[in-house]
Amino acid sequence: SQELEQSPQSLIVQEGKNLTINCTSSKTLYGLYWYKQKYGEGLIFLMMLQKGGEEKSHEKITAKLDEKKQQSSLHITASQPSHAGIYLCGADSVGNQGGKLIFGQGTELSVKP
Amino acid sequence: DAGVTQSPTHLIKTRGQQVTLRCSPKSGHDTVSWYQQALGQGPQFIFQYYEEEERQRGNFPDRFSGHQFPNYSSELNVNALLLGDSALYLCASSRRILAGGSYNEQFFGPGTRLTVL
Repeated sequence: SQELEQSPQSLIVQEGKNLTINCTSSKTLYGLYWYKQKYGEGLIFLMMLQKGGEEKSHEKITAKLDEKKQQSSLHITASQPSHAGIYLCGADSVGNQGGKLIFGQGTELSVKP
Repeated sequence: DAGVTQSPTHLIKTRGQQVTLRCSPKSGHDTVSWYQQALGQGPQFIFQYYEEEERQRGNFPDRFSGHQFPNYSSELNVNALLLGDSALYLCASSRRILAGGSYNEQFFGPGTRLTVL
């Protein structure tokens, strides 16, 4: 079965610093989703990547999917306290087109003012 | 657009009881998926409903069952509750894409926090 591993598990950065979160899959990814979650709340959709080498940006967050479609990274530029939360990567494991998603364990981000 | 809504927000039950959680999908969505998220972990897929039928199922026992109504809303039922069922239950909705179409996004609701004592 497919597994997703995120690194680091937790991250504390000073406001204004850049940071990167990685998500590595044991199998080829058909679709890779990035979500943000505030503690105990629902998941907020950030971006979805589908093609090898694809890169998407929204405000100060950029996500990339490598050419082999087994690794994705999420980069935040000039972090702000509003970026704090848990970041989750989710994978469509068998091309179900909106079906079962497998998630990594999450990366908890804290941003110090 | 209200997005995905779930009820109740919080629920406290005792072992052996039964519970029903409810979900209304985002407008225009016809597929509902349920996930269980234990503290400190990523969500685990329970099952997915489309056209009022269970289409996919994760590794959860038969104590977990569901239903989808003609208006696309859905219920998750858990029987014979165990302490280990304490978790945040998330509902996600999406729009079914026919074969050959592009991948669509799953939008999540705020979740129902279930505590089993």
